[in-house]
Amino acid sequence: LAKTTQPISMDSYEGQEVNITCSHNNIATNDYITWYQQFPSQGPRFIIQGYKTKVTNEVASLFIPADRKSSTLSLPRVSLSDTAVYYCLVGSGGYQKVTFGTGTKLQVIP
Amino acid sequence: DTEVTQTPKHLVMGMTNKKSLKCEQHMGHRAMYWYKQKAKKPPELMFVYSYEKLSINESVPSRFSPECPNSSLLNLHLHALQPEDSALYLCASSQATSGRETQYFGPGTRLLVL
Repeated sequence: LAKTTQPISMDSYEGQEVNITCSHNNIATNDYITWYQQFPSQGPRFIIQGYKTKVTNEVASLFIPADRKSSTLSLPRVSLSDTAVYYCLVGSGGYQKVTFGTGTKLQVIP
Repeated sequence: DTEVTQTPKHLVMGMTNKKSLKCEQHMGHRAMYWYKQKAKKPPELMFVYSYEKLSINESVPSRFSPECPNSSLLNLHLHALQPEDSALYLCASSQATSGRETQYFGPGTRLLVL
């Protein structure tokens, strides 16, 4: 399984765009990149998933360069409610054996 | 309905007790998972059930015993736990196990072993 590396923590002011980068140098050809959000004492919640280039949904964008060795989660105009831990996961195939990385704790400041 | 429910929300047990955690989903998902999460750490995979058969056991001690009675239910039976087993236990489900499906997580059971 590809190991992921993320910053441990980030601070941002409300209304700003936040970019969280994840490194996954050993990503395999058929691996997908998935991001989850977790609030304290709750289960993780799916945010976005991608394979290459750019994916956008109603809450975030995911940028994946051509070599796929890293990815960037972009949260537009964050609010206080976006304060959470964000996990980058890389995995594929078989039995969905995903490994959560250490995660990035995002603190949004008023 | 995209909800995974878990009961109980909180559980306190002694080291000699036997208890069970329950998880339920009605999304028609055929894969279900148990994770353990310690404070300030990421979730760690414990077990995966695929089509009601145990497909992954991540070298979990035998004091944790999973059970999948049907495609909607997942149990985790606990016996003779240790204080270090205190954690948040998360259940998740996904449509299948091709590797791309989103996992839907329940709110977890907060377990304290005394």
